[in-house]
Amino acid sequence: DQQVKQNSPSLSVQEGRISILNCDYTNSMFDYFLWYKKYPAEGPTFLISISSIKDKNEDGRFTVFLNKSAKHLSLHIVPSQPGDSAVYFCAASPLGAGSYQLTFGKGTKLSVIP
Amino acid sequence: EAQVTQNPRYLITVTGKKLTVTCSQNMNHEYMSWYRQDPGLGLRQIYYSMNVEVTDKGDVPEGYKVSRKEKRNFPLILESPSPNQTSLYFCASSLRRGRDTEAFFGQGTRLTVV
Repeated sequence: DQQVKQNSPSLSVQEGRISILNCDYTNSMFDYFLWYKKYPAEGPTFLISISSIKDKNEDGRFTVFLNKSAKHLSLHIVPSQPGDSAVYFCAASPLGAGSYQLTFGKGTKLSVIP
Repeated sequence: EAQVTQNPRYLITVTGKKLTVTCSQNMNHEYMSWYRQDPGLGLRQIYYSMNVEVTDKGDVPEGYKVSRKEKRNFPLILESPSPNQTSLYFCASSLRRGRDTEAFFGQGTRLTVV
């Protein structure tokens, strides 16, 4: 049973527009959520995180929103740039575990079109 | 430079021939993990370690062993590899438990078992 779901395998966005990547989770014990970006032939790199005590976290062009009641989070990238083209993974961690015990979604491949 | 280093990057082996994938981090992190990435499945955790001599199973531990004799190293051992262990493997490390840390990933090891 998949506990972290990214239902869109791919997303195409025009350069300069907003990219919105979605993630749903089913495990109520998750309390820390992270987004990772992955380029081909490289390891995932950390992008942004949010804990369950917040509903929004912002870092430059990247904002993550958390809706606990809906068990849903989203990553907004504004404005999107061609260099943002990558696979984005949503990850979740159970209470107290932090980032050493992550459950990942299947990923969404973002293509930013110049 | 802070990094997680995996070796080898690419490996082709035959069924049943024992192999070890090494992982080393230079950030003095307590926590280390191994993940495998398969098409359509995202990243799944194999094993993790919370400290020297402390390891535990992740979601897909069957067919794998790990050891943590030193803080910086966390090798992944396949005693008798099988074709279903053909995958892309990532090692990760993180500083501590809790909501304010992220996991750092190595560049990956692509393993093919024939």
